[in-house]
Amino acid sequence: EPEVTQTPSHQVTQMGQEVILRCVPISNHLYFYWYRQILGQKVEFLVSFYNNEISEKSEIFDDQFSVERPDGSNFTLKIRSTKLEDSAMYFCASSEGGRGIEKLFFGSGTQLSVL
Amino acid sequence: DAKTTQPPSMDCAEGRAANLPCNHSTISGNEYVYWYRQIHSQGPQYIIHGLKNNETNEMASLIITEDRKSSTLILPHATLRDTAVYYCIVRVATGNTGKLIFGQGTTLQVKP
Repeated sequence: EPEVTQTPSHQVTQMGQEVILRCVPISNHLYFYWYRQILGQKVEFLVSFYNNEISEKSEIFDDQFSVERPDGSNFTLKIRSTKLEDSAMYFCASSEGGRGIEKLFFGSGTQLSVL
Repeated sequence: DAKTTQPPSMDCAEGRAANLPCNHSTISGNEYVYWYRQIHSQGPQYIIHGLKNNETNEMASLIITEDRKSSTLILPHATLRDTAVYYCIVRVATGNTGKLIFGQGTTLQVKP
C-alpha cells in the first residue's frame, strides 16, 4: 500500500536554528498537509497546500513557518528560528482530493526536539 | 464544524467486538462523520466515514443514528493491535481543506 514518507524520524536542534522537515506524499495525491502533536496533547492542524499555494493555515502557522513543494515529489516544512515550544511530533499528510472526503494519509512523523 | 463527545477510555476483550460511541448532537445536514485512530504516537490512520447510512469496510463498521446526533464505530473482532486512541471528527462535505479538528478521542485498550 502506498504511504507517506517523512525524514528524518528524529531531529534535534538548538533554539534559534532553522530546520527543514521533509515529506514525500503519495504520488497521485494533490493535497498536502502538516500537523503537529506536542507530547501528551492533541493532534493540531498547521497548514494545507494545494496547487502550489497554501489553502488554509492555523494560528500556529505564523511567519516562522513556511511550506514548499520544491519538486514533483517532496513537500517540506521549514521553521526559520526554532523555539523551545516548537518541540513536537510533526506529521505530514496527503489526500487524493479535497472535495469533502477527508481521507488523509499520514506519515509516521518527525520528532523535533529543540534544545 | 460540529463538536463531538467521546468517552475518554474503554476496555475490550481480545476477539470481542469493540463499540466506540460518539455524540455529535449539533451536526448539520451537510456534515460527514469521520473516524481516525492513532496507534502509540504514530500518524493518525483513517478508518471510515459516513453521512447518513451505515457504512462498512475492511476495518470497521459505522452506525449512524437516524437523527444523526450520534454514531458508533464497531471493530467486529478486536485484536491487541487495535489498542489505540480513536477520534470521531465531524466535517462539512464541501470546500474542505483537510483541516481535521482532533479532540482527545477514546483510548481503547484491548486486553488478552
